[in-house]
Amino acid sequence: QSALTQPRSVSGSPGQSVTISCTGTSSDVGGYNYVSWYQQHPGKAPKVMIYGVTKRPSGVPDRFSGSKSGNTASLTISGLQAEDEADYYCCSYAGSYTYWVFGGGTKLTVL
Amino acid sequence: EVHLLESGGGLVQPGGSLRLSCAASGFTFSNYVMSWVRQAPGKGLEWVSTINRGNTYYADSVKGRFTISRDNSKSTLYLQMDSLRAEDTAVYYCAEEGDYFMDVWGKGTTVTVSS
Repeated sequence: QSALTQPRSVSGSPGQSVTISCTGTSSDVGGYNYVSWYQQHPGKAPKVMIYGVTKRPSGVPDRFSGSKSGNTASLTISGLQAEDEADYYCCSYAGSYTYWVFGGGTKLTVL
Repeated sequence: EVHLLESGGGLVQPGGSLRLSCAASGFTFSNYVMSWVRQAPGKGLEWVSTINRGNTYYADSVKGRFTISRDNSKSTLYLQMDSLRAEDTAVYYCAEEGDYFMDVWGKGTTVTVSS
């Protein structure tokens, strides 16, 4: 059960866009359209931002968008705001044996 | 409003046991897949276990030591943790699953395995 690969950190200035990648294999990210993204502020529980690769739960700003190509999923945050500074984790369904696999997490810094 | 509240965490010696509980409210508990996810200090999220209506699933790191269960009459999810190791030290979150994603999370309960 290897973790999905994410960059350890990304940064951007307010108003800019950033993209966080999440690379897996054909057994997880590439094999299912069940990639989700979670935002976690320090000391808080994770919060879902994107599910089903591209879907946004109600209440999540449309500045957050998701996509996938092959074995790599991506989270794009446009119009960066200070409150977007947090850790972001991708997660993929990986079949009935492995079930879920998370990425190692990416720390987003808003400069 | 959907609400999940974990309890049962604490300090336990290596080799010991602990049972975590997750009390659910605001939704029909029996209809939902439920999961446990943990986060070691300063580390990322790690899936631990999932239970649906009839099946259970475990991460390799806990298989044979942890047991997930649910009591639908009490709207409560459990995680029985045996043969605990130092590397099981973490905040343990329960989560309600939507359509193949973790929709609602509890605030977590802290487990520390140390002598």
